[in-house]
Amino acid sequence: EAQVTQNPRYLITVTGKKLTVTCSQNMNHEYMSWYRQDPGLGLRQIYYSMNVEVTDKGDVPEGYKVSRKEKRNFPLILESPSPNQTSLYFCASSLSGYRNEQFFGPGTRLTVL
Amino acid sequence: GENVEQHPSTLSVQEGDSAVIKCTYSDSASNYFPWYKQELGKGPQLIIDIRSNVGEKKDQRIAVTLNKTAKHFSLHITETQPEDSAVYFCAVTHGGPGTASKLTFGTGTRLQVTL
Repeated sequence: EAQVTQNPRYLITVTGKKLTVTCSQNMNHEYMSWYRQDPGLGLRQIYYSMNVEVTDKGDVPEGYKVSRKEKRNFPLILESPSPNQTSLYFCASSLSGYRNEQFFGPGTRLTVL
Repeated sequence: GENVEQHPSTLSVQEGDSAVIKCTYSDSASNYFPWYKQELGKGPQLIIDIRSNVGEKKDQRIAVTLNKTAKHFSLHITETQPEDSAVYFCAVTHGGPGTASKLTFGTGTRLQVTL
């Protein structure tokens, strides 16, 4: 089944404790991205990747890191999480760029205490 | 950058009625306009999209209209059903195929279809 998977689905952590949210797609998509969803703000892009070893900042990259060492994986790293990073996070992939359908993962709900 | 406004933020309709959600954008170079539906507990899913060389597109009960002059586009759902209840997001992008253009989302509309 073609899909985007994220892990974990739910995470409660404390301020400053490094964490990684994994994202994997099995559709051989070149393009991957991370969004955060907050009430009243819609979906805002954190980082995106056009292809392996190519990443760039989105609209709200502060406090996040990403890497794209393999085509299928695009982990999101929070080196020192803070409470304002409490949010619902979505990974997405597409065949190439934003003029193609974005396939979203099921989401990761993160709470930083 | 691109600014996308979406209205209304909430919409309640009776089953069988029509629902219309409208988005406006600021960048006249924008050329791709998708709509995503997000059901409870799931990620958004594309339901329909339109490109700037087309004024209207239909898919069964769903249609999207685009007015490039006024820089707005709308989602129309006819004969609404309870399973249409969800959050709907419009989005806007510009740039050629495969280019590093940006996809900017609206703030979402929560649609409730009541019996």
